[in-house]
Amino acid sequence: SYVLTQPPSVSVAPGQTARITCGGNNIGSKSVHWYQQRPGQAPVLVVYDDRDRPSGIPERFSGSNSVNTATLTISRVEAGDEADYYCQVWDSSSDQPIFGGGTKLTVL
Amino acid sequence: QVHLVQSGAEEKKPGASVKVSCKASGYTFTSYGISWVRQAPGQGLEWMGWISTYNGNTNYAQNLRGRVTTTTDTSTSTAYMELRSLRSDDTAVYYCATFSYGSRSLDYWGQGTLVTVSS
Repeated sequence: SYVLTQPPSVSVAPGQTARITCGGNNIGSKSVHWYQQRPGQAPVLVVYDDRDRPSGIPERFSGSNSVNTATLTISRVEAGDEADYYCQVWDSSSDQPIFGGGTKLTVL
Repeated sequence: QVHLVQSGAEEKKPGASVKVSCKASGYTFTSYGISWVRQAPGQGLEWMGWISTYNGNTNYAQNLRGRVTTTTDTSTSTAYMELRSLRSDDTAVYYCATFSYGSRSLDYWGQGTLVTVSS
């Protein structure tokens, strides 16, 4: 089955830019969605279809997707961005969503 | 505003069954499917299954087939997930989420229901 690979952790200082990657075979041909999960809370969709933001999500969150890597970019990182981030694609062969293992973003 | 409100925490013995409810409001219920995702303590997200709210079609994760059933009651805009033959490794927070038929994303999530399986 299709596998998505994320780094376990990313650290960034406040005000800097965080980049969280999601690797998968030919992931550039799929639509990638990103979720933020703060400690003790339910996940929240922050980017869908590679680069679109749901209403209410700050412009600081952006996404890109090319060839074998999708990237969630968080600009001007704030303390409140500290959370786990998960990427997700749809695996048409099994008709189910596939999640990456998650990346813990630490704001130093 | 879309809201998904789930039923409360459950404690079950191994071998028992649990049924979690998810009441939707703020949108036309049949506009989205409903997906169920669980998260074991300290672990990542695990997709369990989804159900189409307009025709009742379902699909379940391979490792849960035979133990999980998802249903909906369109008259009350409520979705249900039943898990049978519970084991200790089923201890997790269970989430319902709206499933977008177009983008295949999980757009809105319930608050989660903790299910603890212990003898």
